[in-house]
Amino acid sequence: GAVVSQHPSRVICKSGTSVKIECRSLDFQATTMFWYRQFPKQSLMLMATSNEGSKATYEQGVEKDKFLINHASLTLSTLTVTSAHPEDSSFYICSATGLVPDTQYFGPGTRLTVL
Amino acid sequence: GDSVTQMEGPVTLSEEAFLTINCTYTATGYPSLFWYVQYPGEGLQLLLKATKADDKGSNKGFEATYRKETTSFHLEKGSVQVSDSAVYFCALSQGQGGSEKLVFGKGTKLTVNP
Repeated sequence: GAVVSQHPSRVICKSGTSVKIECRSLDFQATTMFWYRQFPKQSLMLMATSNEGSKATYEQGVEKDKFLINHASLTLSTLTVTSAHPEDSSFYICSATGLVPDTQYFGPGTRLTVL
Repeated sequence: GDSVTQMEGPVTLSEEAFLTINCTYTATGYPSLFWYVQYPGEGLQLLLKATKADDKGSNKGFEATYRKETTSFHLEKGSVQVSDSAVYFCALSQGQGGSEKLVFGKGTKLTVNP
């Protein structure tokens, strides 16, 4: 089946630093990737949608200058949290579609903790 | 905007018990409806889906029927197993769920004891 990986699985950083999270489709070409954020006991909330080679489309209320998304190839998308603050601490999940157009395949998530 | 409400967990059952996890939605038009499952340490996996009213999605003994009149998509299984222990998410999409955004419920944690 289609596999999506994320790296790192867990990261702790100091306030003010930037953190990059990678999302890779391992066995298929992902034309579209999605980035979600999940707070404890809350729903997954879509942050942005990215298509390979295009600028990401951000959901209302998501700061595009703070959450930089790059989808440079058909197998890799990155999310960079710039100048991270404690309120950015969360669980970030990516998904990808492309193999079967009507299905999203999810990564295992990245736990970000900002001290 | 569109939203999904699912029953609060956690849910704890004994093996072979009947499972129901309620899910209702608010949406414009005719969304597609999904159940995703997340096993410990893994990413969300599509469990089943339905794309139009009265459709029944089924997989691995789980079933859910798209009820437009009650805006519901309740998940059921007749006899749960320990291996069904996971977090279950109900979701909707205005598309087929591939290239369109998914709107999720908060998730329901299921624990099945032997």
